[in-house]
Amino acid sequence: GENVEQHPSTLSVQEGDSAVIKCTYSDSASNYFPWYKQELGKGPQLIIDIRSNVGEKKDQRIAVTLNKTAKHFSLHITETQPEDSAVYFCAASSLGTGRRALTFGSGTRLQVQP
Amino acid sequence: NAGVTQTPKFQVLKTGQSMTLQCAQDMNHEYMSWYRQDPGMGLRLIHYSVGAGITDQGEVPNGYNVSRSTTEDFPLRLLSAAPSQTSVYFCASSPPGQGLVSYEQYFGPGTRLTVT
Repeated sequence: GENVEQHPSTLSVQEGDSAVIKCTYSDSASNYFPWYKQELGKGPQLIIDIRSNVGEKKDQRIAVTLNKTAKHFSLHITETQPEDSAVYFCAASSLGTGRRALTFGSGTRLQVQP
Repeated sequence: NAGVTQTPKFQVLKTGQSMTLQCAQDMNHEYMSWYRQDPGMGLRLIHYSVGAGITDQGEVPNGYNVSRSTTEDFPLRLLSAAPSQTSVYFCASSPPGQGLVSYEQYFGPGTRLTVT
């Protein structure tokens, strides 16, 4: 089955700096790669996703890049703010199979220092 | 819309006890799933359902049962609780996701379960 590895496990940046979180996946059939943000005591919430037919996607300060050949994808957050502090999870899935199960990475705890 | 709701928020069980974690959604989503979250391991899929009357196993199904009699509800049953089932449990739902429609999964607030 699919295996998703995520690095780093913790990341501390100064407010205004950029943050990058990287994930690799093992199953070449995976074609959907979402990123979720989890705040303390809450369920994960989707912040951005990308499909395998797209190399990059941006939404304001957040961007995701995908390299299918190398089987890795990354989350980029620019101009970080204290409210960006949370745990971020990458995930991979094979859409079209009906199962739509997400395989998650182990998470990155991002701390933005004011 | 209330979105995805889960009850209870917290639960303590003794080894061998059984219980049901409740999950409900009011968005008419066909796809629902249960995950458990353990420190340093992300979220792992327990069971999922693609519609009423249809369920299937995920990555870590042992010790858990599910049923889906309605579109709205997807309860998770622990048959005989074990300390290894101490975890935070999340229910999620997702729309049919055809074409360019988002495949976003909406998560509930979670149930923190401790088995002693």
